[in-house]
Amino acid sequence: KAGVTQTPRYLIKTRGQQVTLSCSPISGHRSVSWYQQTPGQGLQFLFEYFSETQRNKGNFPGRFSGRQFSNSRSEMNVSTLELGDSALYLCASSQKGGANEQFFGPGTRLTVL
Amino acid sequence: GIQVEQSPPDLILQEGANSTLRCNFSDSVNNLQWFHQNPWGQLINLFYIPSGTKQNGRLSATTVATERYSLLYISSSQTTDSGVYFCAVGSGGSYIPTFGRGTSLIVHP
Repeated sequence: KAGVTQTPRYLIKTRGQQVTLSCSPISGHRSVSWYQQTPGQGLQFLFEYFSETQRNKGNFPGRFSGRQFSNSRSEMNVSTLELGDSALYLCASSQKGGANEQFFGPGTRLTVL
Repeated sequence: GIQVEQSPPDLILQEGANSTLRCNFSDSVNNLQWFHQNPWGQLINLFYIPSGTKQNGRLSATTVATERYSLLYISSSQTTDSGVYFCAVGSGGSYIPTFGRGTSLIVHP
């Protein structure tokens, strides 16, 4: 089985722009979770989607949004980018979701200038 | 929210040594996970262990939920064990994990 893929791997944007990141889960997995990792705040949970529905959401402003498609692929969008949004964004897929075994993608490194 | 503290923050070992990493949390939890992030950034789910003990090869973990801590044991460490180890905890009915700051492990050959 192919692993979790994330595109793009690297991205440079400027403040005020918006960005869309994509995550393709392992075939058959219905859950996709997103995480943000920064040197200052560490690893933080963004949200989880399961069968096209947002099931859980972390403590992030509304500028961070996501969606999941019928093929379980997921996108996250960040609008009105701020310098502090520079981070490694990780997605993870899981068959059952929640705290069940997750498989992580390589991440998208976003730099906001 | 729940506070998660991991210790030690940094650990340097020689190959073959054993180590114990600790995760303390401030409130009752109903899920706890250990993760390993290798030096290239790849994150791997090691254990889901809200209570009790689990073993997987040279790694084992124990969570004592009533005393609000979890331990990750690494035996006969190898250079490939290098990286950062995170624990993440959650409570209630929703999966909203809170991560610790991690323990950075370097294993020298």
